[in-house]
Amino acid sequence: DSGVTQTPKHLITATGQRVTLRCSPRSGDLSVYWYQQSLDQGLQFLIQYYNGEERAKGNILERFSAQQFPDLHSELNLSSLELGDSALYFCASSVTGGWEETQYFGPGTRLLVL
Amino acid sequence: AQSVAQPEDQVNVAEGNPLTVKCTYSVSGNPYLFWYVQYPNRGLQFLLKYITGDNLVKGSYGFEAEFNKSQTSFHLKKPSALVSDSALYFCAVRAFGSGNTGKLIFGQGTTLQVKP
Repeated sequence: DSGVTQTPKHLITATGQRVTLRCSPRSGDLSVYWYQQSLDQGLQFLIQYYNGEERAKGNILERFSAQQFPDLHSELNLSSLELGDSALYFCASSVTGGWEETQYFGPGTRLLVL
Repeated sequence: AQSVAQPEDQVNVAEGNPLTVKCTYSVSGNPYLFWYVQYPNRGLQFLLKYITGDNLVKGSYGFEAEFNKSQTSFHLKKPSALVSDSALYFCAVRAFGSGNTGKLIFGQGTTLQVKP
């Protein structure tokens, strides 16, 4: 158990809908990362937050947004969902986001868009 | 562009034999390299990392990896494979550059099958 928690574990929804994925980092970690794992794209970095502020942005669609709250938990919002958004979404955390730090991953949220 | 390659989709090895899962990288500057393992329906578990220092890095569950700067490789190894090592293994490199703080770039993954 990495100490990173994600809810829900599974999510089934329809095209056009909006969902929110939640992540709680390990105790003491200030930096949160979101990744998407799909069969065709592999593991892709989406976005990083540090202590409530966006720090880095990857291949995140405009339909997706995220934020990190004062209690350091983070939410990834996916809207206008398409079939291709079906994937496993991981959250990871590290202490400050430093270069040498290990990112610890949560169990993921499996999203299925029908 | 920074990238990671895992040239083998699958590696098959008999239990008790040594295993190697290959990884090569391309980065500007010094590489920070990581190995993770993913079991079915589970998240990624950290195995080990190379930041600096000794080229042979020891990690969890008896795994180790050898950093080779001249060959730009970071192969994962274990002297004696267990059936329970069967899983999906990912090599990753830290991306440097503006806007890339903290970003990990992952290889496509290698499925390790250990047969009894």
